[in-house]
Amino acid sequence: ETGVTQTPRHLVMGMTNKKSLKCEQHLGHNAMYWYKQSAKKPLELMFVYNFKEQTENNSVPSRFSPECPNSSHLFLHLHTLQPEDSALYLCASSQEGKTSAGGELFFGEGSRLTVL
Amino acid sequence: GQSLEQPSEVTAVEGAIVQINCTYQTSGFYGLSWYQQHDGGAPTFLSYNGLDGLEETGRFSSFLSRSDSYGYLLLQELQMKDSASYFCAGPLMNRDDKIIFGKGTRLHILP
Repeated sequence: ETGVTQTPRHLVMGMTNKKSLKCEQHLGHNAMYWYKQSAKKPLELMFVYNFKEQTENNSVPSRFSPECPNSSHLFLHLHTLQPEDSALYLCASSQEGKTSAGGELFFGEGSRLTVL
Repeated sequence: GQSLEQPSEVTAVEGAIVQINCTYQTSGFYGLSWYQQHDGGAPTFLSYNGLDGLEETGRFSSFLSRSDSYGYLLLQELQMKDSASYFCAGPLMNRDDKIIFGKGTRLHILP
């Protein structure tokens, strides 16, 4: 238990569906992240929210839409996805986004997404 | 560009020592972190080197040489439970909240 909870753990959707991934952290952190993990590839940073403000959008297609209503919750809204979007989507949090001082990321166990 | 390179797989024997190397292609990192991920699990933080040299935490040690853009994770007295993927990661110097990860090294441990 890392203090970061992601739901659902598994999701299968068609290309025309709309779904959302949810992340909740119970650590009192102020920065939250979405990463995409595909086989044979590095963890790809998608979005960063620092004190609820989006500070990074790493050239992510608009079919992925993040939402951060407060410092404890992060959503990833999905619509009209492609099969190549199938991957493990990991949420993480850190204290005040101060990763430069060695602040570690706390990851959830991820949402395994399959797009048919 | 900014990237971290590490071997895709390493195999070692239970009880032995193994070193996982990481080289990076930019000087734009504050330091180097290491994460462990078991199959089906979340990546978990192992260590961070903000300064050059060796950091030791129990059976695990991590080293950084910023002049060589190189670091490594050293695992001693290997146990079967150490079978996992290990990722090096670097927080960017111009961004306080952005960490870039390597592709990960899959560690196989033989009995």
